[in-house]
Amino acid sequence: RKEVEQDPGPFNVPEGATVAFNCTYSNSASQSFFWYRQDCRKEPKLLMSVYSSGNEDGRFTAQLNRASQYISLLIRDSKLSDSATYLCVVIMNTGNQFYFGTGTSLTVIP
Amino acid sequence: NAGVTQTPKFQVLKTGQSMTLQCAQDMNHEYMSWYRQDPGMGLRLIHYSVGAGITDQGEVPNGYNVSRSTTEDFPLRLLSAAPSQTSVYFCASTGAGGPNYEQYFGPGTRLTVT
Repeated sequence: RKEVEQDPGPFNVPEGATVAFNCTYSNSASQSFFWYRQDCRKEPKLLMSVYSSGNEDGRFTAQLNRASQYISLLIRDSKLSDSATYLCVVIMNTGNQFYFGTGTSLTVIP
Repeated sequence: NAGVTQTPKFQVLKTGQSMTLQCAQDMNHEYMSWYRQDPGMGLRLIHYSVGAGITDQGEVPNGYNVSRSTTEDFPLRLLSAAPSQTSVYFCASTGAGGPNYEQYFGPGTRLTVT
């Protein structure tokens, strides 16, 4: 079983739509969680960390549900520039290894 | 700051050849790591280092060697290339506090083994 699982999509949504991605993780001792964004043929870049209480950065909201072992990313008012692959990342309790999901592809359509 | 740099950007190898992928960072980061990214597999950790002189294996270390003689450099060596090592390789570094901080990735090396 993979440490981190994501729905690969693709998600095709119109501009202005709200879209949500989920990511599940298998190790209940996981300690840190992130969302990264990766544009086509580019390197991943940090989008936002995910805190236990949930956190928001502009149109982006990240949530953590430890009981059900998943994290989520909500994008409101989608822009064309949001088109990318979104990767969830989990750090286990050893603290030295990052586990990436396979990524969820988002295309925002005019 | 240049951030994390990787060379070469593209490489084609024949089966059995060896080569070294270079990675350097100028942010004085202690933690560095190598990943490979394959379609449908996501990024998988190959090797990582928590400081000069210290390296450890990740999820998929077979066929790869690393060393960390300086804080800045973390080369990845392919000992005897195989077609299964065709992939995109990313190097990353993380600042003080270890992996709980943001990872900065290099632009990647696209490797094809024929």
